[in-house]
Amino acid sequence: GENVEQHPSTLSVQEGDSAVIKCTYSDSASNYFPWYKQELGKGPQLIIDIRSNVGEKKDQRIAVTLNKTAKHFSLHITETQPEDSAVYFCAARSSSGNTPLVFGKGTRLSVIA
Amino acid sequence: GAVVSQHPSRVICKSGTSVKIECRSLDFQATTMFWYRQFPKQSLMLMATSNEGSKATYEQGVEKDKFLINHASLTLSTLTVTSAHPEDSSFYICSARAGGGYNSPLHFGNGTRLTVT
Repeated sequence: GENVEQHPSTLSVQEGDSAVIKCTYSDSASNYFPWYKQELGKGPQLIIDIRSNVGEKKDQRIAVTLNKTAKHFSLHITETQPEDSAVYFCAARSSSGNTPLVFGKGTRLSVIA
Repeated sequence: GAVVSQHPSRVICKSGTSVKIECRSLDFQATTMFWYRQFPKQSLMLMATSNEGSKATYEQGVEKDKFLINHASLTLSTLTVTSAHPEDSSFYICSARAGGGYNSPLHFGNGTRLTVT
């Protein structure tokens, strides 16, 4: 089955700097890669996703890149703000049937004002 | 956007009692919903896949008789923790896929914090 590794587990950046979180996956059949942001005491919120037919996707300060050959994908947050502080999860899903998402272990991002 | 509502947000119950958690898709129909469990500072662990009108599919190691799932309509799935014990205390989160396709985005509820005393 799919296995998703996520790094780093914790990340601290100064406000205004960029933050990068990286994930690798094992199943070459995976074709959908979402990123979720989870604030304390709340459920995960989808912030951006990318499909395997695209190498990069951007939405304002957030971008995701995908390298299918290397089987890794990354989340980039530019001009970080204190409200970006949260736990971020990457996930991957195989294209075969109604399979569930497999999540990484999460990255706790702290943006220091 | 797609909204998944989960209720209650917090519940405290005594050991041996049962607790029901509801998950509703508010503005879309969901033939499939997923139930996750999350321990403090850990990732989401898939417990089961809830299918409308049929039996749920449980992940390995999850007791189906303890975690009863019912998906009676296209907008509602329930998780009942039966004979709860302190080790069942956790954060339970449901999710639903907006749109019919397998690659439709998955949206999560805000979770239920269960504390068993």
